[in-house]
Amino acid sequence: DADVTQTPRNRITKTGKRIMLECSQTKGHDRMYWYRQDPGLGLRLIYYSFDVKDINKGEISDGYSVSRQAQAKFSLSLESAIPNQTALYFCAVSGTGGKTEAFFGQGTRLTVV
Amino acid sequence: ELKVEQNPLFLSMQEGKNYTIYCNYSTTSDRLYWYRQDPGKSLESLFVLLSNGAVKQEGRLMASLDTKARLSTLHITAAVHDLSATYFCAVDMSGTGNQFYFGTGTSLTVIP
Repeated sequence: DADVTQTPRNRITKTGKRIMLECSQTKGHDRMYWYRQDPGLGLRLIYYSFDVKDINKGEISDGYSVSRQAQAKFSLSLESAIPNQTALYFCAVSGTGGKTEAFFGQGTRLTVV
Repeated sequence: ELKVEQNPLFLSMQEGKNYTIYCNYSTTSDRLYWYRQDPGKSLESLFVLLSNGAVKQEGRLMASLDTKARLSTLHITAAVHDLSATYFCAVDMSGTGNQFYFGTGTSLTVIP
């Protein structure tokens, strides 16, 4: 089983619909992140959370919201999806101290039509 | 605002050749990471560089960090086809926590 699991893996939705992307992890790390990847733009940080009570906006949080339901779960919502939110979304987790590298989920390919 | 720039963005090289990918960043940081991404796949951690002068090597890849110059390099020695992928550097902007900011990636194609 993957350490960082994202669901769904692929999703097509219509403009204006609400959609939630879910992420769960078994690595026991406190820090969780949501990124989106667009061709030629690399990965951009949407939101991050350093523990259950800590939520922070990243570079491109407009149009997105998140919920940290538990240490192991971090969900990303698009309240009213629009076509320019079509992208590949990644959840990542990281630890502290000597375990600071980020580990990524398999990604969710979202298409908004 | 932190900027992380990689060059080149695209690299086509023949098997057996050497080449270097550069990662420049705009603010103070002493933590830098290199990742590999195969088409349609997730990102795989390659190297973690946590101090000035850090050098890590794995097989045909070697990464280094110069925090004073705000520069990291990923050197490829005697490239093989299996190294074809997109390579990303990421900088940790925060000194107390982890906020990873990624470069735009270098798409490497190794030609047999």
